Amino acid sequence: DQQVKQNSPSLSVQEGRISILNCDYTNSMFDYFLWYKKYPAEGPTFLISISSIKDKNEDGRFTVFLNKSAKHLSLHIVPSQPGDSAVYFCAASENNDMRFGAGTRLTVKP
Amino acid sequence: NAGVTQTPKFQVLKTGQSMTLQCAQDMNHEYMSWYRQDPGMGLRLIHYSVGAGITDQGEVPNGYNVSRSTTEDFPLRLLSAAPSQTSVYFCASSHLPGELFFGEGSRLTVL
Repeated sequence: DQQVKQNSPSLSVQEGRISILNCDYTNSMFDYFLWYKKYPAEGPTFLISISSIKDKNEDGRFTVFLNKSAKHLSLHIVPSQPGDSAVYFCAASENNDMRFGAGTRLTVKP
Repeated sequence: NAGVTQTPKFQVLKTGQSMTLQCAQDMNHEYMSWYRQDPGMGLRLIHYSVGAGITDQGEVPNGYNVSRSTTEDFPLRLLSAAPSQTSVYFCASSHLPGELFFGEGSRLTVL
């Protein structure tokens, strides 16, 4: 069973606009949530994280929101840039077990 | 600044052959793990280790063995390759707790 789900396989936005990527999880024991970015032929790279005791974390253009009651996580990118075009994975961790979603391919058009 | 190094980057095997994917990290991370990436499935955890001499199973461990004799190295062994093991494999490491640092991946095809 997939405990972390990204229901949108792809997303296309215009440069300068906001990108919102969504993620849902089913395991209420997850206590740490992360977003990774992946370019073709490269390994994923860490983008931003949030602990379950918080509901928001910001790092420059990237903000992650956590809604524990809804078991929902989102990543906001403002403003979006063409270089942000990549596959984004959300991940959730319980102890040493980190589970990933299937990924969302973001395309930012100039 | 090597980070996490995986070898080989590409490998083609015949069904039933064995092989080892190598992974080494130079960041003194205690945690290391192996994931496989398949279309529509994301990254699935195969095995992980929280330190030398300690390994544990992840989400999809069947058909794979691991060992952790040193902090730096975490090889993944396929004892008898099957076409279902065709995938891209990623090794990752981290301090506990923390974000994972991934290698560039190893693309394996089993015919």
